[in-house]
Amino acid sequence: RKEVEQDPGPFNVPEGATVAFNCTYSNSASQSFFWYRQDCRKEPKLLMSVYSSGNEDGRFTAQLNRASQYISLLIRDSKLSDSATYLCVVIPDMTTDSWGKLQFGAGTQVVVTP
Amino acid sequence: NAGVMQNPRHLVRRRGQEARLRCSPMKGHSHVYWYRQLPEEGLKFMVYLQKENIIDESGMPKERFSAEFPKEGPSILRIQQVVRGDSAAYFCASSLDPEMGTRYTEAFFGQGTRLTVV
Repeated sequence: RKEVEQDPGPFNVPEGATVAFNCTYSNSASQSFFWYRQDCRKEPKLLMSVYSSGNEDGRFTAQLNRASQYISLLIRDSKLSDSATYLCVVIPDMTTDSWGKLQFGAGTQVVVTP
Repeated sequence: NAGVMQNPRHLVRRRGQEARLRCSPMKGHSHVYWYRQLPEEGLKFMVYLQKENIIDESGMPKERFSAEFPKEGPSILRIQQVVRGDSAAYFCASSLDPEMGTRYTEAFFGQGTRLTVV
């Protein structure tokens, strides 16, 4: 089983609609969670950290479910500029051999259409 | 505060030559990660370093690849005797020391080096 798994998509979303997708992780001893965004052939950019209580940044909402070991990202009122690949990142904690190491999912592609 | 700087942005090498990719982390960052991305594929972890120490190199091919992060200067990813299959985008990211706590684990990426082997 992969350490971090994502539905590759693509999720085709009409402009103005809401889209949500999840990312599952296998290591229960994970301490930090992030969503990154990657545009075609460019570097990943940090979109938002994911906090235990869930957090919101404008149209973006991130949730963490430790019991089921997944994080989610919801995008409201989708814009054409939201079209990108969204990468889930998990960092294991210090009790594991992989502590501190960024573990990336393969990404979920979102395509917002007019 | 400059971001993560990678150079060169584009590098063309003939088969059998050496490729050296440089990464200067953000100011104050002590940890560096290298990732490789093939066209239409996800990011693949290669190596995770702190100054003068390799923390995890489980993603590095056993031969021809090496990485370092000296006390002074940038981190270097070195590929000897390049082959066509090494053609990819190589991204570097940096962060503060994760041991400081979860708030310090945010990592920021450089713009990448696109290596083409001809």
